[in-house]
Amino acid sequence: DAMVIQNPRYQVTQFGKPVTLSCSQTLNHNVMYWYQQKSSQAPKLLFHYYDKDFNNEADTPDNFQSRRPNTSFCFLDIRSPGLGDAAMYLCATSSGITQYFGPGTRLTVL
Amino acid sequence: AQRVTQPEKLLSVFKGAPVELKCNYSYSGSPELFWYVQYSRQRLQLLLRHISRESIKGFTADLNKGETSFHLKKPFAQEEDSAMYYCALSGQGGSEKLVFGKGTKLTVNP
Repeated sequence: DAMVIQNPRYQVTQFGKPVTLSCSQTLNHNVMYWYQQKSSQAPKLLFHYYDKDFNNEADTPDNFQSRRPNTSFCFLDIRSPGLGDAAMYLCATSSGITQYFGPGTRLTVL
Repeated sequence: AQRVTQPEKLLSVFKGAPVELKCNYSYSGSPELFWYVQYSRQRLQLLLRHISRESIKGFTADLNKGETSFHLKKPFAQEEDSAMYYCALSGQGGSEKLVFGKGTKLTVNP
């Protein structure tokens, strides 16, 4: 009964090769978030959507983009991945106080 | 600036012993505080939030505004409590972004 689904769970890409991570939800929540979590560090918010309104964090690099074509889906695009972008990427949703997380996608950059 | 500090990266206790995971925060207004937990190979999930004043799986946490702390406590630790615990803060209203601490890895030994 997965409520927040992330695909793929593991993604390997080459330095500079664009990559897209996918998140879907069955909760019909209006807010969706993308976090980056590097090893031994706290999850760090990249951006979030409130319905169709996109909210970018001030320190999120331009290399990171997002799309939300409908309520259920949200994508994270990394235009030119660098070695420093290797991390776990977490998607989360909420309709209020509590955030519900997906299992994450672990990105490896070769 | 919003900040969450978890001073202990690792915490190890024996089964049946009391456990306290420390969390201190910095926020200029009245924050919402949360504890999230991640068991091995599972997704990040909400354990409890201060506004609910509830006990989940024997854990409690009290918001101390004077000390700006939100420590997580359990009187008798169980082996299944072994996990990564993250303290998180949200701005007033609760539907905004979460700022996470770096997490504390709790190991409960038999």
